[in-house]
Amino acid sequence: GAVVSQHPSWVICKSGTSVKIECRSLDFQATTMFWYRQFPKQSLMLMATSNEGSKATYEQGVEKDKFLINHASLTLSTLTVTSAHPEDSSFYICSASPGPISGNTIYFGEGSWLTVV
Amino acid sequence: DAKTTQPNSMESNEEEPVHLPCNHSTISGTDYIHWYRQLPSQGPEYVIHGLTSNVNNRMASLAIAEDRKSSTLILHRATLRDAAVYYCILRDVSGGSYIPTFGRGTSLIVHP
Repeated sequence: GAVVSQHPSWVICKSGTSVKIECRSLDFQATTMFWYRQFPKQSLMLMATSNEGSKATYEQGVEKDKFLINHASLTLSTLTVTSAHPEDSSFYICSASPGPISGNTIYFGEGSWLTVV
Repeated sequence: DAKTTQPNSMESNEEEPVHLPCNHSTISGTDYIHWYRQLPSQGPEYVIHGLTSNVNNRMASLAIAEDRKSSTLILHRATLRDAAVYYCILRDVSGGSYIPTFGRGTSLIVHP
């Protein structure tokens, strides 16, 4: 199946610093990628839709200036958590789809654990 | 994407079949039915998808009701490694709403 790779798998950062998470589709091109965050024992919460070559579309309640998304190519999207605070600690997951040819199947990255201390 | 409803949790014994139901009464003609599962501390993984006919792959089988308003994911012989949260979602391929949103899914507990 298609592969989506996410890096880093886990990161610990100090409060006030910024952290970048990368999401790559390894064997297909993805015009659109999606970023989620997940708290323990809860479902995936969609944060934003990342569109190649244009601005991301953020879900209501998600601060676009805090969670910067860049989709520079058809295989790479990045999420930067700026001025991180302990409440930003969470599991962040990206996903991408090859498109309608696969029934719009979504493939997920391994996820990135962010801990802000 | 249209809404789906699933039981919060189900239990099974190891090596027994498991039938995980999903209701999607507002499904449209261009919606594919997708199943994903998420093991603890991992990103979700694709399990199976279908449109109208039943589907089989190495992981599971998908049985789709004739009116498509419900479906069932079948794990033929549950193992301890199948303990996960299973999500059923609909994916529109017509160019309409394409944002994948997830409900709470079904937490499958497998007893040894």
